[in-house]
Amino acid sequence: AQKITQTQPGMFVQEKEAVTLDCTYDTSDQSYGLFWYKQPSSGEMIFLIYQGSYDEQNATEGRYSLNFQKARKSANLVISASQLGDSAMYFCAMREGRTAGNQFYFGTGTSLTVIP
Amino acid sequence: AAGVIQSPRHLIKEKRETATLKCYPIPRHDTVYWYQQGPGQDPQFLISFYEKMQSDKGSIPDRFSAQQFSDYHSELNMSSLELGDSALYFCASSLSAHEQFFGPGTRLTVL
Repeated sequence: AQKITQTQPGMFVQEKEAVTLDCTYDTSDQSYGLFWYKQPSSGEMIFLIYQGSYDEQNATEGRYSLNFQKARKSANLVISASQLGDSAMYFCAMREGRTAGNQFYFGTGTSLTVIP
Repeated sequence: AAGVIQSPRHLIKEKRETATLKCYPIPRHDTVYWYQQGPGQDPQFLISFYEKMQSDKGSIPDRFSAQQFSDYHSELNMSSLELGDSALYFCASSLSAHEQFFGPGTRLTVL
């Protein structure tokens, strides 16, 4: 079974609007971490936001917030006030357990296009 | 702020040749990860190291090996290269379990 599922291959959003990118995960571990990355066409992987499984509050980093619904095993990324520079591929990832060196599992990504 | 450094940035090899990719983590970061990303695909975890010891192992072929040295830099050694090994290879580093920062990647082309 897929550890991370991103069901939206492509998304479009109007500039200055908010957009939600979906991510569901599958794990039997009680302790895990959820991550979102942005990969522009230039290829680098940019770390956006982290949510721990024991964190009671949703993580926020500037215009990025993570809508964490533990019971539904979902970790959706919300980007507010979209900008043209937000056009990129977005990957959701999970690390099981508490150890930093544990394997990361990535979803297949969502390609976001911001329309002027 | 200092980032993860990878070298070389681009590499062209022939089939059956060997390649060595180098990774210099962010200063003070003790954990290094290696990933392979094929065209249009998500990054696939290969292997990780914590404090110079192998931490976890993913889909790394037997033809590949890696290690982390005393200065925390890491090298990925790839032998008997195949056409299918052509990909973007990322190194990432972290100091805690709450983060993971990627380097710019090495683009390997096998002809």
